[in-house]
Formats: sequence, structure tokens, C-alpha cells
Amino acid sequence: SYVLTQPPSVSVAPGQTARVTCGGNNVGNKHVHWYQQKPGQAPLLVVYDDRDRPSGIPERFSGSNSGNTATLTISRVEAGDEADYYCQVYDSSSSDPYVFGSGTKVTVL
Amino acid sequence: QVQLVESGGGVVQSGRSLRLSCEASKFTLNGHSMHWVRQAPGRALEWVAVISFDGSSQKYADSVKGRSTISRDNSKSTLYLQMNSLTTEDTAMYYCAREANRGYVNFDSWGPGTLVTVSS
Repeated sequence: SYVLTQPPSVSVAPGQTARVTCGGNNVGNKHVHWYQQKPGQAPLLVVYDDRDRPSGIPERFSGSNSGNTATLTISRVEAGDEADYYCQVYDSSSSDPYVFGSGTKVTVL
Repeated sequence: QVQLVESGGGVVQSGRSLRLSCEASKFTLNGHSMHWVRQAPGRALEWVAVISFDGSSQKYADSVKGRSTISRDNSKSTLYLQMNSLTTEDTAMYYCAREANRGYVNFDSWGPGTLVTVSS
């Protein structure tokens, strides 16, 4: 089955830029989506199709995807961005085709 | 604003069954494939099952295949997940999620979840 690997944690100071990576075999050939999950809440889609933002999501959230790594970039980080972030792809060749990454805890220092 | 509200969770003994429901509002349910996604305590999100917009096709994760059934009643705007032969490994928060019609296979709306605890 297809595996997406994320770093367990990323720390960033307020106002700085946080980058969360999502590694997978030729993930650049797939559409990667990103979800934000705050404690006790349901996930929230923040980036879809590598780099597009749903309505209401700040422009500070952006994404890229190439080769074996997709990246979620959070610019001008705010305290309210502290959350777990998950990447997700659809892999039609897997028996479990809807694949989530292992998740990254973003801590705002 | 799209609304999804799950119900049916609770504490259940290992080996028993449970049926979860997800009531949808503020959008047309039959316009979307719908999913169940779960999250064990302290763990990552795990996809569980999907049903097509009209209920004609379903797919399950290997971890629940053969003992779970996803279904929907579009006239009642409700999604279901029947889970049988539960084990402690099924203990998790269960979310229903709407598959977006924009973009490629992503989940654009989620319910708050319903907690299932399986006791041994």
C-alpha cells in the first residue's frame, strides 16, 4: 500500500514560516491535500490539489508538490495555526486508496 | 454552511455490533460520495469506507472489510456505518466526511465525530 511520511513535529516562532513535508514515492504525480486538525476538533481542509485553497482559508497557507515530496507552507505563522496537519492522496493502485500521512504537530513557540 | 452530525457511538463490548449515523444538512447529499474516517486516540486519520453518491458502490479499508457495511438513505439525508465483530482496535473517533466535487478526491466537509470505545 502507498505510504505518506511526515515529520512528527515542526516548531516555529510567531511571524516566521513553517514548512511541513509529506514524502511518498513519486507523490509529485498525485494530487496532495492538506488538513488542519486542532485538539478536540474535526479536520479542516486547508489546501487541495497541491496548491489550491478552499474559500475562507488565508493566503498564508500554500502548497507545492514535486518529485517525492509535497510541502505545506504556512507564512507569517500565528498562535492559532498550532495544530496537527495531515497530507492525503488518492492512490488507485492500493487496496486502501484513500491514504493519509502520519501527521505533523506544528508548535508555535 | 454544510452540516454533518454523527451519532451512534458509545461503549460496546468486544464482539458486539454498532451502527453509526451521519445526518447531513444544508447541501444535497445525493450529489456527493460520502466517507467514514476514523482516528484512534493519539493516532493519525485512517480512512474506513466510501459509498458512491447513489449508493450503488462501496469500498472498505482492509481493517474493516467483511465486518462493516456503509449505506445511505438520500431521502433521509443520512449516511450509516454498520460495524460488526468489534475489537479494541476499532476504538476511535469516527468522522463522516463529504467528498468534494471540486478538486481530485478530497474531503471538504467533516462532522464533529462520534466516539466508539470497545471494551474487552
